[in-house]
Amino acid sequence: GQQLNQSPQSMFIQEGEDVSMNCTSSSIFNTWLWYKQDPGEGPVLLIALYKAGELTSNGRLTAQFGITRKDSFLNISASIPSDVGIYFCAGHSLTSGTYKYIFGTGTRLKVLA
Amino acid sequence: DVKVTQSSRYLVKRTGEKVFLECVQDMDHENMFWYRQDPGLGLRLIYFSYDVKMKEKGDIPEGYSVSREKKERFSLILESASTNQTSMYLCASSSGRVTGNTIYFGEGSWLTVV
Repeated sequence: GQQLNQSPQSMFIQEGEDVSMNCTSSSIFNTWLWYKQDPGEGPVLLIALYKAGELTSNGRLTAQFGITRKDSFLNISASIPSDVGIYFCAGHSLTSGTYKYIFGTGTRLKVLA
Repeated sequence: DVKVTQSSRYLVKRTGEKVFLECVQDMDHENMFWYRQDPGLGLRLIYFSYDVKMKEKGDIPEGYSVSREKKERFSLILESASTNQTSMYLCASSSGRVTGNTIYFGEGSWLTVV
């Protein structure tokens, strides 16, 4: 099935560093969602975005809905060891059907203490 | 808090067995989903339901069926389990039938078919 382009695929960072990742699509979305998934667990919603240009924070996490509606960004500030995991985005378009969510390929984050 | 609960976290079943995976959501959501997640393949939609007794096939429905008798409950059924159905299964729900909405996932069910 279709997947969103997400980069980077993986990254190692030092504790305390800031992290940035993004998702791009060839289609326009009305909703962008960001999740974190720990090994063996289900995805946990981090941030939901519903409007182009919207910037939303959740603690040390900040996400933005791109102006073109074809991309979204997630930033993590001052990373800590428990930030380790897989982060992925999801997009939803009103024109593609109410059930059609497209998911990113994931960014695997490893934090070095 | 939003809650999607999958009844079984870990299951081991034999080839040919009938398998039931149960999911309950407490958010009064109209839409419920079953996905499977495999390394390198991401999340793939098996079935979707937008109302009680209503269902639609997703991208990979072969070998699966679903049941939605109550709004809060969505069951995935493997009529005759096969080894290629060994996977992580994720239930999810979202509200609304027209507008794009946030989709919430359960904890996942790891199924091993031997």
